[in-house]
Amino acid sequence: DGGITQSPKYLFRKEGQNVTLSCEQNLNHDAMYWYRQDPGQGLRLIYYSQIVNDFQKGDIAEGYSVSREKKESFPLTVTSAQKNPTAFYLCASSIGSPLNEQFFGPGTRLTVL
Amino acid sequence: EDKVVQSPLSLVVHEGDTVTLNCSYEVTNFRSLLWYKQEKKAPTFLFMLTSSGIEKKSGRLSSILDKKELFSILNITATQTGDSAVYLCAVEAPPFADEKLTFGTGTRLTIIP
Repeated sequence: DGGITQSPKYLFRKEGQNVTLSCEQNLNHDAMYWYRQDPGQGLRLIYYSQIVNDFQKGDIAEGYSVSREKKESFPLTVTSAQKNPTAFYLCASSIGSPLNEQFFGPGTRLTVL
Repeated sequence: EDKVVQSPLSLVVHEGDTVTLNCSYEVTNFRSLLWYKQEKKAPTFLFMLTSSGIEKKSGRLSSILDKKELFSILNITATQTGDSAVYLCAVEAPPFADEKLTFGTGTRLTIIP
């Protein structure tokens, strides 16, 4: 089945620890995105990548880092510098050309204790 | 800064009612407007609108875009409990070739049986 997978579904970490969220897609999409969703708010873009080995900061990149070594994978690291890391994180992908919708993974809920 | 505003923030109606959800935007270089439905986890794509005045329809859902007044509406007729979800509006307004989306905060729709 083609799709986007994120793991884990739920993640708990202590304050001060870095944590990496996984995002994999087998849709052969060039572009991948990471969003953060807080209660009562829409999705805010953290980072995005339009091609392997290249990525750009979104609107709220501070305290996060990404890599795009393979087309299928776009892991997100939440570093200890991120002041409010507890949130729901969504990964998405798209063909990468204009006027094509983004497809979303099931999300990872991160709770920092 | 690009802005997308949705209203109302939440809406509670009885099954069988018709609802209209609003999305207004202030962006430069508008390319398209997208509607997503988010039930529990991953948003699922509903519509993409690029041209004014052309209604997109899928079953009981329909949407239209007004590029002059910078807004879109999503209509749901004969609502059912399965329509309960958060409806997200997003605008694609890239600076150059990017396909970034800017999301609104969403409208939480609750259908009472």
